Order: sequence, then C-alpha cells, then structure tokens
Amino acid sequence: QLQLQESGPGLVKPSETLSLTCSVSGDSINRSSYYWGWIRQPPGKGLEWIGSIYYSGSSFYNPSLKSRVTVSVDTSKNQFSLEVTSVTAADTAVYYCARHFYGDFHFWGQGALVTVSS
Amino acid sequence: QSALTQPRSVSGSPGQSVTISCTGTAGDVGRYDFVSWYQQHPGKAPKLIIHNVSQRPSGVSPRFSGSKSGNTASLTISGLQADDEGDYFCCSYAGSYNFLVVFGGGTKLTVL
Repeated sequence: QLQLQESGPGLVKPSETLSLTCSVSGDSINRSSYYWGWIRQPPGKGLEWIGSIYYSGSSFYNPSLKSRVTVSVDTSKNQFSLEVTSVTAADTAVYYCARHFYGDFHFWGQGALVTVSS
Repeated sequence: QSALTQPRSVSGSPGQSVTISCTGTAGDVGRYDFVSWYQQHPGKAPKLIIHNVSQRPSGVSPRFSGSKSGNTASLTISGLQADDEGDYFCCSYAGSYNFLVVFGGGTKLTVL
C-alpha cells in the first residue's frame, strides 16, 4: 500500500526558507507514471495546489507561487521535496504531499503544520 | 487562475440527499474530465471520494456520486449519515499550455 510522510521544521522565521520532504513507500517515484505534488491548507481555509513533479523530473508550479517555490526529487531516497523562499505569516499552513494523476489526488500524506513566526 | 466556486455550506437530515455544486470555467471543469472530490474531517487529510468526474475509488460508499454538466460539477450524497459531516472540496485539472490544478473553496456539510 502506498504511503507518504511529510517531514521538516514546524516553525520557520519570516523571510527564511521553508523546506519539507515527502518520503514515499510502496511505490517508486521514478517508475510510475504519476505526478508527485504539494498542497497546502491555511488554518480554517481551503486547499491550494502548490506544485508537482512528474516521474520524469519535470516540475510544475501554481503561477501565484512560482517565483518562490521549488519542487525537487531524490530518486535514490524515493523522496521529493518542497522549498518556499521568503516566507511570511501567509505561508502558515498544513502542507500535504500527494500522488496524483492530473487533477485526481489518490494518495495523501497525513500533513505537516508549518508556522511562520519570529 | 481562480479557485472553483462551491457553496460555503449545505445541510441535510439523516437519510436525505444533498448535492454540492462546483462551478468552474470552460478552461477547467468544462474542458477536462479530471474532476475530483474530497472529504475532509477535522484534523485529517483529505480523502478522495470521486475521481474522473464520476468514478468511485475502491472502498468508497456508493452513496457518493459525481456528475458534470458544462462548467459545473456536482457531488451528491444520498442516505445522509452522521459521519458524512465534514468539509468537501472539488478539484479540476486546468492546464492548457502549462500544467495547472485548481481546488474549490470547500463546502461544510452539516448533518442535522
């Protein structure tokens, strides 16, 4: 059974870089024809797609975040990662990693709360 | 790209049916069949309940059904149960020249 698990600091200072990693078990990132993505949910609000990486290594981003976001993959560790630069309080959210095929997100991680505060 | 439009809340009594709408544009819901629905309970990750407009993943109750007409997708929950209470989100692929995914703002379902 596919499982995804987010990890990373729960507290980030304003203007610094948020970094999260998603560890994948039960499937190989570079073998399956799926997208591996990041979605976030500010407290009490809706879901926002951040960006995704295809098994081939191509990455895609939400235009509203594109200038600050990087999604990368480490196939040797079967992990993919998210970096968001120059964070503000508006980046405080639960961050989810997921496996998806276009708009269908079949498998999700449990989520990681990241708070931006000094 | 604007988020898909959902009603903020809907409600129904046990045993009744409710329908949640998700309105997009000709560039997302109206163009692609990659429309999905998610159920989320407090403190939990979203759970896929409908994909490809109307397909149910294995293990999802047949009380959940999805459809699409034009630029609007709909989720119908029949035979409401107390455990159906929670938040529901729609999602659509919206890429044309670039890969893009958009979510709806979410609908709070209350079982009276």
